[in-house]
Amino acid sequence: DAKTTQPPSMDCAEGRAANLPCNHSTISGNEYVYWYRQIHSQGPQYIIHGLKNNETNEMASLIITEDRKSSTLILPHATLRDTAVYYCIVRVAANTGKLIFGQGTTLQVKP
Amino acid sequence: DSGVTQTPKHLITATGQRVTLRCSPRSGDLSVYWYQQSLDQGLQFLIQYYNGEERAKGNILERFSAQQFPDLHSELNLSSLELGDSALYFCASSVRDRLNTEAFFGQGTRLTVV
Repeated sequence: DAKTTQPPSMDCAEGRAANLPCNHSTISGNEYVYWYRQIHSQGPQYIIHGLKNNETNEMASLIITEDRKSSTLILPHATLRDTAVYYCIVRVAANTGKLIFGQGTTLQVKP
Repeated sequence: DSGVTQTPKHLITATGQRVTLRCSPRSGDLSVYWYQQSLDQGLQFLIQYYNGEERAKGNILERFSAQQFPDLHSELNLSSLELGDSALYFCASSVRDRLNTEAFFGQGTRLTVV
């Protein structure tokens, strides 16, 4: 599975959009981009995933560049409860379901 | 609530001891995964079972073992415990053995070895 690079930390004002970048320059054609988050030592929570098209669900939007070498997770209206560590994971969906977590981005939402 | 239940929530034990962590997956999920999260190592994949059979192995120590029972619950056994085994242990489950949607994580068992 391809390696990802994320900034270690970011701040965001409450009510504003949080844009979390992820670089995956070695991604291959059959690898998906997954996002999970972990709120203060709770179990990680799935957010969204995509292959090459942009995706949106009730939690977030995922924007993947045309060359698929990077992506951005967007939380449209961040709240204090969105403060968490966000993990970008690239993996082949057909492989065994294990997830390889990196260090992630610690997002601090401030009032 | 993810639907994945882990017991106990907290466990304190002495070095050299053996403990068993239990995980009940979401109803209908056949695959169970175990992860360890320590302060210096982050979230590490340990092992996966699918419908009772071992499917994938990560950096799991030989002192650790796991199994999945016919009712699909899973147990992670940790023996000859060392101080460095203190960590959060998470269980996750998914419907299939290959993950093309999402995994659901339990709230974890916090193990403290003293």
